[in-house]
Amino acid sequence: ETGVTQTPRHLVMGMTNKKSLKCEQHLGHNAMYWYKQSAKKPLELMFVYNFKEQTENNSVPSRFSPECPNSSHLFLHLHTLQPEDSALYLCASSPGGDPSYEQYFGPGTRLTVT
Amino acid sequence: QKEVEQDPGPLSVPEGAIVSLNCTYSNSAFQYFMWYRQYSRKGPELLMYTYSSGNKEDGRFTAQVDKSSKYISLFIRDSQPSDSATYLCAMSGGANNLFFGTGTRLTVIP
Repeated sequence: ETGVTQTPRHLVMGMTNKKSLKCEQHLGHNAMYWYKQSAKKPLELMFVYNFKEQTENNSVPSRFSPECPNSSHLFLHLHTLQPEDSALYLCASSPGGDPSYEQYFGPGTRLTVT
Repeated sequence: QKEVEQDPGPLSVPEGAIVSLNCTYSNSAFQYFMWYRQYSRKGPELLMYTYSSGNKEDGRFTAQVDKSSKYISLFIRDSQPSDSATYLCAMSGGANNLFFGTGTRLTVIP
């Protein structure tokens, strides 16, 4: 595997379910990010992790819970989501710990909340 | 007011045309300017990265930044069908922020 991988690629879940998204980067980077991409809206930065430490949380609802056990893996735990949370969730990594660095994105997880 | 404004298009051009994509912004603290390209069912990939004002050229692509007008552009020369994608501008002032435009969908017709 090379670059940034994400699983699953597609996920359908009910509002009462709990699920997790997984991201893995094979680039030796120190920082990882979660983004939300909705139709006709700008990409929204959700969480930033630098050397496994969360350095940014852009007012994301608590029903989204990130976890970064090491610099190569990032999870997004989901529970009691709302239909408006349906979107493409993208993971990215970068050599440095600031979003202004060049970022490498995964293919995303297409989430549908029913 | 949005941090970054980008015309969503869609934009259709014939093969070989020169394409101009633009974004405007409101925050004068932005110093890092990027263009990402996103193909269907893929994540964005970095195309151009510039710091502060000026031009940067890479093959058929040229990025321009005009900080006085708060305006950035991406030019694609001799456009090819493989350039058909959504182009996202992004900018940052550092300090853990990064703001994207909504993206412009481009189709290059053979």
